[in-house]
Amino acid sequence: QSVLTQPPSVSAAPGQKVTISCSGSSSNIGNNYLSWYQQLPGTAPKLLIYENDKRPSGIPDRFSGSKSGTSATLGITGLQTGDEADYYCATWDNSLNTWVFGEGTTLSVL
Amino acid sequence: QVQLQESGPGLVKPSETLSLTCSVSGDSIKNSFYYWSWIRQPAGKGLEWIGRIFPRGNTNYNPSLKSRVTMSVDTSSNQFSLRLTSVTAADTALYYCARELGSRRYYFDSWGQGTPVTVSS
Repeated sequence: QSVLTQPPSVSAAPGQKVTISCSGSSSNIGNNYLSWYQQLPGTAPKLLIYENDKRPSGIPDRFSGSKSGTSATLGITGLQTGDEADYYCATWDNSLNTWVFGEGTTLSVL
Repeated sequence: QVQLQESGPGLVKPSETLSLTCSVSGDSIKNSFYYWSWIRQPAGKGLEWIGRIFPRGNTNYNPSLKSRVTMSVDTSSNQFSLRLTSVTAADTALYYCARELGSRRYYFDSWGQGTPVTVSS
């Protein structure tokens, strides 16, 4: 069981919008910045969102992040088949004194 | 643009020691803005943080692996390394090195491509 809880999978049609949730606690999400990573098949994870809601250079504004209390959400609009990937949330846990990752959510664009 | 590249044996025998190196280019490993981490991913599973090393050489390790992990940094070669002792089949995974922003900003902005390690006799 991961410290951060994500749905195992989400799906939507091309052009539609999808959200992926990440739920934690006051020892992690509640008191630290959260980041999101996209892992395309057979590749290394790539930073998608940092500091809860910021996008690195080169990440399209179709991707957005938000945080409220001990939960966070990744939003993807205008879905493309190239968005099919695993998505992970991550942050530091102050009680465990370790980085914690969500279990990952597989996005299918049907 | 920083680049990270993992290297090391792809096959390790049970009970032996896994040793990997991450070569960093495009930035100095002594840069105080960053920390340097190892993260692993068993096939078909999620990500697990192993530990990190700071530019001055101090470390943080995942408590679940702490008794078996040692990390070191070689500033002259701009590399950092991972040693994991007494490996078992459960340590079979793709091992990534990654750069983490410091000052409690909590994100990994650059990753290596990963190197597979199999523990088998």
